[in-house]
Amino acid sequence: GAVVSQHPSRVICKSGTSVKIECRSLDFQATTMFWYRQFPKQSLMLMATSNEGSKATYEQGVEKDKFLINHASLTLSTLTVTSAHPEDSSFYICSAKMDRDYEQYFGPGTRLTVT
Amino acid sequence: GQNIDQPTEMTATEGAIVQINCTYQTSGFNGLFWYQQHAGEAPTFLSYNVLDGLEEKGRFSSFLSRSKGYSYLLLKELQMKDSASYLCACMDSNYQLIWGAGTKLIIKP
Repeated sequence: GAVVSQHPSRVICKSGTSVKIECRSLDFQATTMFWYRQFPKQSLMLMATSNEGSKATYEQGVEKDKFLINHASLTLSTLTVTSAHPEDSSFYICSAKMDRDYEQYFGPGTRLTVT
Repeated sequence: GQNIDQPTEMTATEGAIVQINCTYQTSGFNGLFWYQQHAGEAPTFLSYNVLDGLEEKGRFSSFLSRSKGYSYLLLKELQMKDSASYLCACMDSNYQLIWGAGTKLIIKP
């Protein structure tokens, strides 16, 4: 149990375009979802925390107008990278947790390359 | 401020034992996690400690000392597939995970 999927697993887009990444909890209801970014040889950096039905809470330095997060249901959260630039190229990972549970279950990640 | 420290890289021999240390300073503490991450993949859960002591799970064990702000992950009978990064993460008073930079473990035959 506690499986999280992400789609797409890899995406290449041109500079200036927008990319949407989906994160789904397949067999549980995720009251909270987290979006992370990881650059090569670095640790996970939390971008934002989203609770179902409410606005996401962004970490300091993360532009909310550039990284749009929608957590419309208890099983789906989306991250849209708007007007992508090459420096946005990274590994984006989502995780989800159930209510009153401490463990975060990670999706397999999405490799974004902006050319 | 909040800080998690762990070694950047360690090397060990197949079949041996290795201990990866993690020290932490966080605002509040609601437990410490160890995750394994292979290159290009998402982290996978290894252990969770919230009380002092040693938790053993097969070849992997995790230890916590809250008074010292210290944890270690012990890997026994190392296998080549254990080559990965090992991430230490603490849950703070807001139940957010604060991540260490990870320790890259290289296993040699």
